[in-house]
Amino acid sequence: DQQVKQNSPSLSVQEGRISILNCDYTNSMFDYFLWYKKYPAEGPTFLISISSIKDKNEDGRFTVFLNKSAKHLSLHIVPSQPGDSAVYFCAASEGGTSYGKLTFGQGTILTVHP
Amino acid sequence: KAGVTQTPRYLIKTRGQQVTLSCSPISGHRSVSWYQQTPGQGLQFLFEYFSETQRNKGNFPGRFSGRQFSNSRSEMNVSTLELGDSALYLCASSLGSGGRRGYTFGSGTRLTVV
Repeated sequence: DQQVKQNSPSLSVQEGRISILNCDYTNSMFDYFLWYKKYPAEGPTFLISISSIKDKNEDGRFTVFLNKSAKHLSLHIVPSQPGDSAVYFCAASEGGTSYGKLTFGQGTILTVHP
Repeated sequence: KAGVTQTPRYLIKTRGQQVTLSCSPISGHRSVSWYQQTPGQGLQFLFEYFSETQRNKGNFPGRFSGRQFSNSRSEMNVSTLELGDSALYLCASSLGSGGRRGYTFGSGTRLTVV
């Protein structure tokens, strides 16, 4: 049972435009959500996170939106740059001492064309 | 400051053998988590250690075990290796429970079982 799903295996965007990556979850106990970026032969790099008590969090070019009623979150990258090309994973965790147990989606390959 | 260091980077083992992987977290980080990444299953949580105690455990068989030392360094062991254990094993560390800063991942150990 996949509790975190990224239904788009890949996304192609032109440089300077907006990239929108989507993620759906089924476990209503999740209360913390994170986005990671991964380049080949490297471990995932933390990008941005959001707590379930918020619906939006911004950090520079990256904004994460959370819609709890729809169990949906999205990552917006504006403007997109060629260096953003990587695999993006969303992850979720339950609260309390279970924060350390992250459940990951399958990832979306983002390609930003110059 | 130094990142999360995993050794060795690459490993080839024969079916039925056992293997130990090592992870040195970022200095001061007390939480260490382990993940298995495969093309078919994606990133899956193995276990998390905090202050030498296993705090969370994923759905893996008992052949997979780990431990954490007083200096927060961690090891994971896989006994009686199977072909399906071939994967990238990632270690991640955090100050406490991830939270706003998420977990910092190492570059992983690529294990091949032949």
